Amino acid sequence: DGGITQSPKYLFRKEGQNVTLSCEQNLNHDAMYWYRQDPGQGLRLIYYSQIVNDFQKGDIAEGYSVSREKKESFPLTVTSAQKNPTAFYLCASSPNGAGGRNEQFFGPGTRLTVL
Amino acid sequence: KQEVTQIPAALSVPEGENLVLNCSFTDSAIYNLQWFRQDPGKGLTSLLLIQSSQREQTSGRLNASLDKSSGRSTLYIAASQPGDSATYLCAGQNAGGTSYGKLTFGQGTILTVHP
Repeated sequence: DGGITQSPKYLFRKEGQNVTLSCEQNLNHDAMYWYRQDPGQGLRLIYYSQIVNDFQKGDIAEGYSVSREKKESFPLTVTSAQKNPTAFYLCASSPNGAGGRNEQFFGPGTRLTVL
Repeated sequence: KQEVTQIPAALSVPEGENLVLNCSFTDSAIYNLQWFRQDPGKGLTSLLLIQSSQREQTSGRLNASLDKSSGRSTLYIAASQPGDSATYLCAGQNAGGTSYGKLTFGQGTILTVHP
């Protein structure tokens, strides 16, 4: 079954901790994205990657970091510098970063709560 | 900067009714317009994608249109069913610039179809 998987489904973080959210896709897509969803604010782009070993900051990158060492994987680290990390995090992928029928597909999400 | 607005924020209809969800965007240089469905606590499911060269797309009971000149897209749902109850999100992708592939989301319309 082709798709996008995210783990864990729920994650609890203590103040001052760094945590890493996993995102894996087997769709052979070049581009991958991380979004954050807060009630009443819609989805906002954190980071995106158009190709392996390359990534760009989105609209709200402060306090987050990513890596793209493999085409199928795009992990997101929420660092202690992120002041309000409690949110629903969604990973997405698309065939390529620009042009064409660049339909984005989403994973099931990870709900992060700061204790 | 692209801004996307969805009206209404919430909609409640009886089963069997045909309905229209509205999406407006500020930058007519839109490349793709994508409609998603989100169930509570879940990821996004892609429903339809309309490329800038197209005026509409259809999938089953769903029909989405795109009018770049007026900055509007509509999602038409025919013969609504209780299973259609969900949040519907539209998102625009602009070509060019430094954020290729980036989607700008509206805040969604919460649809409730009651039996």
